[in-house]
Amino acid sequence: DIQMTQSPSTLSASVGDRVTITCRASQSISSWLAWYQQKPGKAPKLLIYKASSLESGVPSRFSGSGSGTEFTLTISSLQPDDFATYYCQQYNSFWTFGQGTKVEIK
Amino acid sequence: EVQLVESGGGLVQPGRSLRLSCAASGFTFDDYAMHWVRQAPGKGLEWVSGISWNSGSIGYADSVKGRFTISRDNAKNSLYLQMNSLRAEDTALYYCAKDMGPLFPGSAFDIWGQGTMVTVSS
Repeated sequence: DIQMTQSPSTLSASVGDRVTITCRASQSISSWLAWYQQKPGKAPKLLIYKASSLESGVPSRFSGSGSGTEFTLTISSLQPDDFATYYCQQYNSFWTFGQGTKVEIK
Repeated sequence: EVQLVESGGGLVQPGRSLRLSCAASGFTFDDYAMHWVRQAPGKGLEWVSGISWNSGSIGYADSVKGRFTISRDNAKNSLYLQMNSLRAEDTALYYCAKDMGPLFPGSAFDIWGQGTMVTVSS
């Protein structure tokens, strides 16, 4: 099974900050990686698929990069609506999620 | 409006069964693979099971293999999860999710329902 490890687990940041979350796969997954945002009491929302493709309707301040085993999600300028938990997901071999990164207000 | 609405959750004793349903609307249901994903209280996301557009390919997480059965009825735009021999560790919010493509194994999940809670306890 492919394991996904996110870092950090929690991130404290201020509005306007540039934020980067890292996701590492236990083996190569090419570019078969997605990023989701989840707010309390809500379903996850797809942000990025195929490592760097922005889902329709998602603000351009979100971007994804990487391939193989190391990936990043970047929020260029953190907005109040962005405080949430973020999950990466590999879909190279079935589906596995990372443990999540909570972005908190500093 | 594209929508997935889950139902069928509840409180059930260990060892008993439960059947979840997911009603889809706003898109051509039989063009896409579908999945169940669960989230235990305060925990992360776990993929449970998936099914291709025509039910030709199906898969399960090891944690539920042999106990859960996924199915779909394209005529009714519905997805199902039959859960047998339930355990306390199956307690979670169960989400129905739409794949971006028709095949299994497939792609990322672009549409999610709001979930139905399953609690396994005596």
